[in-house]
Amino acid sequence: AQSVTQPDIHITVSEGASLELRCNYSYGATPYLFWYVQSPGQGLQLLLKYFSGDTLVQGIKGFEAEFKRSQSSFNLRKPSVHWSDAAEYFCAVGAYSSASKIIFGSGTRLSIRP
Amino acid sequence: DVKVTQSSRYLVKRTGEKVFLECVQDMDHENMFWYRQDPGLGLRLIYFSYDVKMKEKGDIPEGYSVSREKKERFSLILESASTNQTSMYLCASSGQGMGDTEAFFGQGTRLTVV
Repeated sequence: AQSVTQPDIHITVSEGASLELRCNYSYGATPYLFWYVQSPGQGLQLLLKYFSGDTLVQGIKGFEAEFKRSQSSFNLRKPSVHWSDAAEYFCAVGAYSSASKIIFGSGTRLSIRP
Repeated sequence: DVKVTQSSRYLVKRTGEKVFLECVQDMDHENMFWYRQDPGLGLRLIYFSYDVKMKEKGDIPEGYSVSREKKERFSLILESASTNQTSMYLCASSGQGMGDTEAFFGQGTRLTVV
């Protein structure tokens, strides 16, 4: 069964600083991996996804994530955060199967210090 | 654009009532999901359907059932609503093709059981 751990419940960074949000997954085969963002009062929006190929994936809003199979990790990064990045971020894992569940982590809330 | 539409944004129901949450998607997706979102717990999968009339339990199916009679529609049923089912409910859909498996979400239904 798939599972996802986001070890950081809440992170605060200064505007303009770099960001890394951690995600560890558990799955016995090749996973599909996703990062979603949920701004206050808004729905979930896909930031980026990995399913094969280059392990460094680029997403929207200047985000990127790196798949590291040896560490079962898929950490999200941004070189310079903006106040509008304050939101909740969710990592998710699916399976390389047509009939696949998508399992989410518990989320990391990001606050931006002016 | 993919559209996932949930029938209600807000619902207030009484303890013991049978509650129906409806979800419709317009992208001909095979997979559909129901999650509940609670602060600090992220999104937890209630049920998943990978085809018409096919379903699988997620992590927290107790007290819920689902129905998928048509490909585009996936209903969540609370057989006898209880106060601990007060939550935000999110419906999602996804395809089954390679690289087409990210979940697209509806806006959510905030259910309050009194």
